[in-house]
Amino acid sequence: DVVLTQTPVSLLISLGGQASISCRSSQSLVHSNGNTYLHWYLQKPGQSPQLLIYQVSNRFSGIPDRFSGSGSGTDFTLKISRVEPEDLGVYYCLQRTHNPYTFGAGTKLELK
Amino acid sequence: QVQLKESGPGLVQPSQTLSLTCTVAGFSLTSYNVHWVRQPPGKGLEWMGVIWNTGGTRYNSALKSRLSISKDTSKSQVFLKMNSLQTEDTATYYCARDPDYWGQGVMVTVSS
Repeated sequence: DVVLTQTPVSLLISLGGQASISCRSSQSLVHSNGNTYLHWYLQKPGQSPQLLIYQVSNRFSGIPDRFSGSGSGTDFTLKISRVEPEDLGVYYCLQRTHNPYTFGAGTKLELK
Repeated sequence: QVQLKESGPGLVQPSQTLSLTCTVAGFSLTSYNVHWVRQPPGKGLEWMGVIWNTGGTRYNSALKSRLSISKDTSKSQVFLKMNSLQTEDTATYYCARDPDYWGQGVMVTVSS
């Protein structure tokens, strides 16, 4: 199975600061069709996960441009600029290239 | 608008079969894939399986022998059946449209 390694496990960020989360895959996530199915989700406390970024770098509808995704192959990054209180929660990457699809273990964002 | 809602028993006895329903609104199951994902209390996300818009299925190999996903397109419902439940299957079970919207989840406890 593809292992997604997320780092760091937790982040303490001040309001208005910047956060960066890494997601490294044990295999290339480029699908045979040329697409890379690496998505980012945020699970706020007590809620279902919500989609932030799909296919590496595409922001989902309604997601502010403070969130950006980048990367290729096996290395991917989610950046959050100008962190706001509503950004706290656990961030997960998901790969949907190889079966079984797998999630990273999560990165918990907390405010200083 | 797009909605997904899981329903099913909150308590299942060990060795019994879990049956869950995901009722969707705002989109057609002939146009979108629907996944099932679960989350044990206080832990991360585990992908369980998917039913494609075409009706085909794909399962997590770790669960494949116990899991079945089907749908009734006319009723806008997706079904999950998993047999031989054990205490480690205690989790919140989510259905999610690929790749964006998630249901609120249903908590299932496996206990005698």
